[in-house]
Amino acid sequence: DAGITQSPRHKVTETGTPVTLRCHQTENHRYMYWYRQDPGHGLRLIHYSYGVKDTDKGEVSDGYSVSRSKTEDFLLTLESATSSQTSVYFCAISVGGLNTEAFFGQGTRLTVV
Amino acid sequence: TQLLEQSPQFLSIQEGENLTVYCNSSSVFSSLQWYRQEPGEGPVLLVTVVTGGEVKKLKRLTFQFGDARKDSSLHITAAQPGDTGLYLCAGKLNNDMRFGAGTRLTVKP
Repeated sequence: DAGITQSPRHKVTETGTPVTLRCHQTENHRYMYWYRQDPGHGLRLIHYSYGVKDTDKGEVSDGYSVSRSKTEDFLLTLESATSSQTSVYFCAISVGGLNTEAFFGQGTRLTVV
Repeated sequence: TQLLEQSPQFLSIQEGENLTVYCNSSSVFSSLQWYRQEPGEGPVLLVTVVTGGEVKKLKRLTFQFGDARKDSSLHITAAQPGDTGLYLCAGKLNNDMRFGAGTRLTVKP
């Protein structure tokens, strides 16, 4: 158990509203990631962080922003949710360096109606 | 088009049967990982392979990395219902980690 907690676990929101998902870790890991998982696409990286206030874009970053003001928390914000952002979102950490073996949270199922 | 193609997409077998699932690419990876994911949960790391031709065993699961480090296979011997889940491969390419779409395995009692 890598001590990763995601909140909320489920959320339904309306198109055009902002949404923030939270990832909290208890073990002081440097690298944190946000992925989305969609049928037929597997896991795709949205953004990642390599330290407090240090973040970078992933493969599918458009429409998303992130913040990391403390080591333990990595926030993902959908500025104005769209139906195409309906997905399951996973937070992950890696312990061996950037993009090494990942340990995942339990996921947040987001539905945009 | 996925960078990593996993096959088959779906596999349903009876308890006790053997199976192999595949993870293929035209790219060369510095390492490759296999994960298993159960419904409502995040993926859980099973193994990492690094060297071309490497074989790793985890109880009834055997993982092989291709000689050219472009592909990998996962073989399960005497499958059990507890093996049911989504099996994902992920390859490290330059500084990126890319995931396949997965093989969804169902083992019937």
